Amino acid sequence: RKEVEQDPGPFNVPEGATVAFNCTYSNSASQSFFWYRQDCRKEPKLLMSVYSSGNEDGRFTAQLNRASQYISLLIRDSKLSDSATYLCVVNSGNTPLVFGKGTRLSVIA
Amino acid sequence: GAVVSQHPSRVICKSGTSVKIECRSLDFQATTMFWYRQFPKKSLMLMATSNEGSKATYEQGVEKDKFLINHASLTLSTLTVTSAHPEDSSFYICSAMGLAGVIQYFGAGTRLSVL
Repeated sequence: RKEVEQDPGPFNVPEGATVAFNCTYSNSASQSFFWYRQDCRKEPKLLMSVYSSGNEDGRFTAQLNRASQYISLLIRDSKLSDSATYLCVVNSGNTPLVFGKGTRLSVIA
Repeated sequence: GAVVSQHPSRVICKSGTSVKIECRSLDFQATTMFWYRQFPKKSLMLMATSNEGSKATYEQGVEKDKFLINHASLTLSTLTVTSAHPEDSSFYICSAMGLAGVIQYFGAGTRLSVL
């Protein structure tokens, strides 16, 4: 079983849509969780950390379910500029961070 | 957030040339840096973990004599692709763990094209 699994997509959604990405991780001892965003031909950039209580940053909401070892990212009111690959990332206590293969999102006008 | 600078951003070279890529942490000390490679439309692949003052730890399948890593100071790690060949053409990205040792910050990447 892969350490971090994500649906690769692509997710093609119209502007204004709400889209959700899911991610599962295998190491129950994992301690920290993140979503990174990677644009085409660019480096990954931290989008947000994920906490058990859930956290929201504008149109983005991240949730963590430790019991199910499941992480989610919800994007509301999608913009064209949201088109990117979203990477689920887990810190299991051993460097480096473990990256999922990413989910591709295309927001269409 | 922390800043990681990577240079050069683009390299085009002839086959057989060695190429050196620098990765600097600008506003924090990084005892550990990481080197990744990414082929078009593929996921990030960790190549090696660079430790300041000691030998790098390479992932399985990555030739240490081909990809030389030096981490001589707390703010600088270098990756040298020796005798580059067209199959080494890729996007190379470095990253450094921030002060809290939790979040990784990435350099802007180096796009290598070997002719």
